[in-house]
Amino acid sequence: DAKTTQPPSMDCAEGRAANLPCNHSTISGNEYVYWYRQIHSQGPQYIIHGLKNNETNEMASLIITEDRKSSTLILPHATLRDTAVYYCIVSMNSGYSTLTFGKGTMLLVSP
Amino acid sequence: DTEVTQTPKHLVMGMTNKKSLKCEQHMGHRAMYWYKQKAKKPPELMFVYSYEKLSINESVPSRFSPECPNSSLLNLHLHALQPEDSALYLCASSQDGINYGYTFGSGTRLTVV
Repeated sequence: DAKTTQPPSMDCAEGRAANLPCNHSTISGNEYVYWYRQIHSQGPQYIIHGLKNNETNEMASLIITEDRKSSTLILPHATLRDTAVYYCIVSMNSGYSTLTFGKGTMLLVSP
Repeated sequence: DTEVTQTPKHLVMGMTNKKSLKCEQHMGHRAMYWYKQKAKKPPELMFVYSYEKLSINESVPSRFSPECPNSSLLNLHLHALQPEDSALYLCASSQDGINYGYTFGSGTRLTVV
């Protein structure tokens, strides 16, 4: 069962903000939202995660709606190196949960 | 050391061969994972090791046999594979019980002929 829904592809101009949406309407109270990305021919890379509050780190910002049914990953100034498949994953943060990848969004950053 | 190292990077094997994929990390992570990724598809979880014990086997065929000899090493032994097993095999590690901060290796590209 798909726990998240993401657009299959998005385009972004270099230097502009990339806003990647994710719907997770069945998220439960103890489940976190995780974002990973996979650049071509590499392993996935952790970006950011959150439970309820908005989060920011050196790579990106994560905005989670108040009802937690959707979120947006923001890359503030996209570069060509940000071209990748971005995965939004919902899971508990415990020893008995793992990461299950959905289809993700292919983000293409163009000059 | 903040990397997961996978060897070999590429492997071509016949259906009657026996081969092994290796994964190594020195970050002190106690959870290690094998994922399989077919072309243009997301990674699929195969096995999870927690404190060197197999904790999850996602109904993977017995021709794939994982092994965790110590806390830094994870192997995947391959025997009698089929052409449809051709894929990118990814190893990852994390602090046990934490889903953020998985560190993935670059994978082994396996071709079964």
